[in-house]
Amino acid sequence: DTAVSQTPKYLVTQMGNDKSIKCEQNLGHDTMYWYKQDSKKFLKIMFSYNNKELIINETVPNRFSPKSPDKAHLNLHINSLELGDSAVYFCASRRGLAGGELFFGEGSRLTVL
Amino acid sequence: GESVGLHLPTLSVQEGDNSIINCAYSNSASDYFIWYKQESGKGPQFIIDIRSNMDKRQGQRVTVLLNKTVKHLSLQIAATQPGDSAVYFCAERVGDYKLSFGAGTTVTVRA
Repeated sequence: DTAVSQTPKYLVTQMGNDKSIKCEQNLGHDTMYWYKQDSKKFLKIMFSYNNKELIINETVPNRFSPKSPDKAHLNLHINSLELGDSAVYFCASRRGLAGGELFFGEGSRLTVL
Repeated sequence: GESVGLHLPTLSVQEGDNSIINCAYSNSASDYFIWYKQESGKGPQFIIDIRSNMDKRQGQRVTVLLNKTVKHLSLQIAATQPGDSAVYFCAERVGDYKLSFGAGTTVTVRA
């Protein structure tokens, strides 16, 4: 029973395409996040939703659009993919708004050719 | 083995030795810190946390030390095992909602 699950795990696509990554958590958490991890393993926050409301929106190109249909799901849609978008994208969730640990998914490795 | 100075990207340690991973954080107002472990091909996993009103916290084989004066955090792993090989991240809570991660230290355990 995976707590935070992401699909797909691997995604290879051409520049200019549009793709989506889905995330679901079965922990009953209120807050969900998207992080981007580059080739140097640096983890950078992108977005966060709390009960379907956007609370964190870092400086991310507007080609990236998160969508939270309910508090258990947070999807990431990326338009017009660029080479620099290649990375591992991690979804995470947390029970409350501000405190406690983040529970991470296994990651979705996106490769843009 | 120990990573010294602000941060070293890699640390090699002999199995059975103690490891010390260091981290310098940026925001003097940060009040909550977490150490995460990321094994190859997996997501980061929680190891231990500490609040700013403490300077030391112990878990199973791990100890986190917090020095707010110099904005320094360290993770000590006792009797390092091959399963401890991973990338270790410190993270600080910035503002109300955001957990900001450091660059990570890759720990390799030598048999």
